[in-house]
Amino acid sequence: KNQVEQSPQSLIILEGKNCTLQCNYTVSPFSNLRWYKQDTGRGPVSLTIMTFSENTKSNGRYTATLDADTKQSSLHITASQLSDSASYICVVSDSGGGADGLTFGKGTHLIIQP
Amino acid sequence: ETGVTQTPRHLVMGMTNKKSLKCEQHLGHNAMYWYKQSAKKPLELMFVYNFKEQTENNSVPSRFSPECPNSSHLFLHLHTLQPEDSALYLCASSQALLRTGGDYGYTFGSGTRLTVV
Repeated sequence: KNQVEQSPQSLIILEGKNCTLQCNYTVSPFSNLRWYKQDTGRGPVSLTIMTFSENTKSNGRYTATLDADTKQSSLHITASQLSDSASYICVVSDSGGGADGLTFGKGTHLIIQP
Repeated sequence: ETGVTQTPRHLVMGMTNKKSLKCEQHLGHNAMYWYKQSAKKPLELMFVYNFKEQTENNSVPSRFSPECPNSSHLFLHLHTLQPEDSALYLCASSQALLRTGGDYGYTFGSGTRLTVV
């Protein structure tokens, strides 16, 4: 069964600090992995997408990494801002059919404190 | 805004009521989806529509009834719901279904926060 596990479940850090969120998956066949940011009361918004051949991808202060061998991904946030407070959801696509081929993680709830 | 609009944003309904959720996208996408998001659970796919034809019903109870009159509009009709149906209901759209090949990311709406009392 395809699964996506995210850690930690929640995280509190001070403004300006860096943090790293983890995503481990058992999805086959692997197609791509996305990180979404979901602000409270809003729908998820895509931050990055990574395919099998990509190791690192940046989007501003967000940097995602992918290790396809160990089936792990991380999202690193640099110099955190109050607006980074949100849930971050890892989503893996298998493109192998069935429920549109996406497996969602439960998300990491990040709180940035001033 | 993302281009996917959901109304209402909040809804409180009794277990005997009938209500409908509406989703509209102005992105020219051909696929639309309903998801349920409950606290501390992953998003759960409910229904998938491609070119206004339903392609997935992910074992959703019949008290949830979707309707897709065209590729731009999607409804979720609700009746005789249970308190455990309280959740955030998200609509999403994509250019095409993932199974058709290529990467077609989702664009989500802001959701309808549903409370069943």
